[in-house]
Amino acid sequence: DAGVTQSPTHLIKTRGQQVTLRCSPKSGHDTVSWYQQALGQGPQFIFQYYEEEERQRGNFPDRFSGHQFPNYSSELNVNALLLGDSALYLCASSQWASGSNNEQFFGPGTRLTVL
Amino acid sequence: GNSVTQMEGPVTLSEEAFLTINCTYTATGYPSLFWYVQYPGEGLQLLLKATKADDKGSNKGFEATYRKETTSFHLEKGSVQVSDSAVYFCAGNDYKLSFGAGTTVTVRA
Repeated sequence: DAGVTQSPTHLIKTRGQQVTLRCSPKSGHDTVSWYQQALGQGPQFIFQYYEEEERQRGNFPDRFSGHQFPNYSSELNVNALLLGDSALYLCASSQWASGSNNEQFFGPGTRLTVL
Repeated sequence: GNSVTQMEGPVTLSEEAFLTINCTYTATGYPSLFWYVQYPGEGLQLLLKATKADDKGSNKGFEATYRKETTSFHLEKGSVQVSDSAVYFCAGNDYKLSFGAGTTVTVRA
């Protein structure tokens, strides 16, 4: 049973560019959440998708957008990249029906470097 | 909104020493509480969890008890090993996880 997978593993972009990160949830999971983890800090919640809709959003600008597909996989898009967007981007999957007790399973992350 | 405050490190211990990492939370309700661990170069792994007051989560010798009266979820291990060296994150879940800043633990042989 594959866990949460993310691609690519590493990515280098320049300021102003756009980037798309991808995530496939654990089998049986229907909810995907995205987190940004800056170096030396805890992960910060970006947004959460369920039934192809954004259900919750953290304190991130509109440059951060996402999408969920019918097969539950998800993309995170970041436009007009800034140096401060350099971070590890983590995807986590869970089951919506489990409510707030749900355990979120994390992928290995995508390391984004903005030059 | 919910927030988690975690004892910041770094923490350096000798093997077989006792480890405790403090965590307190602020929430409008009573969220589920989690400890995640991040080993060097790896992603986040769930270490243990508790979903209601007085629940005790345990795994790999680690324990934490959900204390509603003190809004705390402190992580403890009685005898650490070198392999426990990692970054530990406390988190509260109200459909989204709110993480503490993380505590880096280094165990020396």
